[in-house]
Amino acid sequence: RKEVEQDPGPFNVPEGATVAFNCTYSNSASQSFFWYRQDCRKEPKLLMSVYSSGNEDGRFTAQLNRASQYISLLIRDSKLSDSATYLCVVNLNTGGFKTIFGAGTRLFVKA
Amino acid sequence: SAVISQKPSRDICQRGTSLTIQCQVDSQVTMMFWYRQQPGQSLTLIATANQGSEATYESGFVIDKFPISRPNLTFSTLTVSNMSPEDSSIYLCSVVYRGEQYFGPGTRLTVT
Repeated sequence: RKEVEQDPGPFNVPEGATVAFNCTYSNSASQSFFWYRQDCRKEPKLLMSVYSSGNEDGRFTAQLNRASQYISLLIRDSKLSDSATYLCVVNLNTGGFKTIFGAGTRLFVKA
Repeated sequence: SAVISQKPSRDICQRGTSLTIQCQVDSQVTMMFWYRQQPGQSLTLIATANQGSEATYESGFVIDKFPISRPNLTFSTLTVSNMSPEDSSIYLCSVVYRGEQYFGPGTRLTVT
């Protein structure tokens, strides 16, 4: 079983749609959680951190359920520019800094 | 934020040769990492580059194949040695700066 598993993609949605990505992690020592965005042929960039209380940044909402070891990302009112791969990322509390990346979910937003 | 540059941005190499990738950061950072991302795959950590000491390698990666240097807090190199087509991948340098992880633009390596 992979340490971080994400929805298989790709997701094809029209502009304006709401889309949700799910992610589960297996290591209970996981300490912090993130969503990264990776555009084609570019490096990953931090989209947002994920907190137990949930957090929102404009059209993006991230949720964390530690009991279920589940993370989600909701994108409202999708834009063409949201087309990218979204990576679920978990940082382990191992005494050092170790991040585990999910395989990513590809999103295509079409006009 | 931390700005990371990598050189070369891409290369095509023959099997059996070696390539050294450079990573430069615009700020002093303690934690610096090297990742590999194969086509359609997510990122896999190769090693943590430790300043002033030997790098710490992840399972499946060894120093003889991927020697790493970290002479100071802003620079590191990764060498891909005795390359084979299976080494074709994107290699990314990454740092943690003020609690946030940043990535370089990557080096796209093709081994023929």
